[in-house]
Amino acid sequence: NAGVTQTPKFQVLKTGQSMTLQCAQDMNHNSMYWYRQDPGMGLRLIYYSASEGTTDKGEVPNGYNVSRLNKREFSLRLESAAPSQTSVYFCASSGQGLVNQPQHFGDGTRLSIL
Amino acid sequence: GDSVTQMEGPVTLSEEAFLTINCTYTATGYPSLFWYVQYPGEGLQLLLKATKADDKGSNKGFEATYRKETTSFHLEKGSVQVSDSAVYFCALLMEYGNKLVFGAGTILRVKS
Repeated sequence: NAGVTQTPKFQVLKTGQSMTLQCAQDMNHNSMYWYRQDPGMGLRLIYYSASEGTTDKGEVPNGYNVSRLNKREFSLRLESAAPSQTSVYFCASSGQGLVNQPQHFGDGTRLSIL
Repeated sequence: GDSVTQMEGPVTLSEEAFLTINCTYTATGYPSLFWYVQYPGEGLQLLLKATKADDKGSNKGFEATYRKETTSFHLEKGSVQVSDSAVYFCALLMEYGNKLVFGAGTILRVKS
């Protein structure tokens, strides 16, 4: 069972470069999410997609864009990377209704911006 | 706004010690409450949940009781193992909501 797959696992960028983080899930989930994890701050929601064809901003969307390419895939793009975007990025997915359909997480992408 | 506050870590315990990780929340309405665990190099996994006041969630020897009067959902385990070393996140989900709100996470280190 693959679950949620994120690529790449590690990436180093220079300030100003662009990058797309890929996420795919094979559980036929409607909802997908992008988070960033920073020390002492837990997980903060960047963007989410409640269903195919829709996307909404989360807590920290500035500097990011997303695309829900189809039901399986949800990508996160940094158009012009900044050092403040150095973080670990997690993609997650869930079925309808988070109470009874817990989020499934990928293993993360560790991104460093120099 | 809705928020979750966890005790700061790291928490360092010897094997077989009793564990408590405190979690309190602020929310309007009646949230559902969750504990997630993150092992090194991995994503988060749901550990347990409770959906209404006085519910007790339990899994793998861990327990947490939803206390509405104290707005708390403290995680406990009677005897920790080295394999429990991880980061633990408390989270809430509002009624009719579709987004989880996470606490900052608490690092647990268990020594043999």
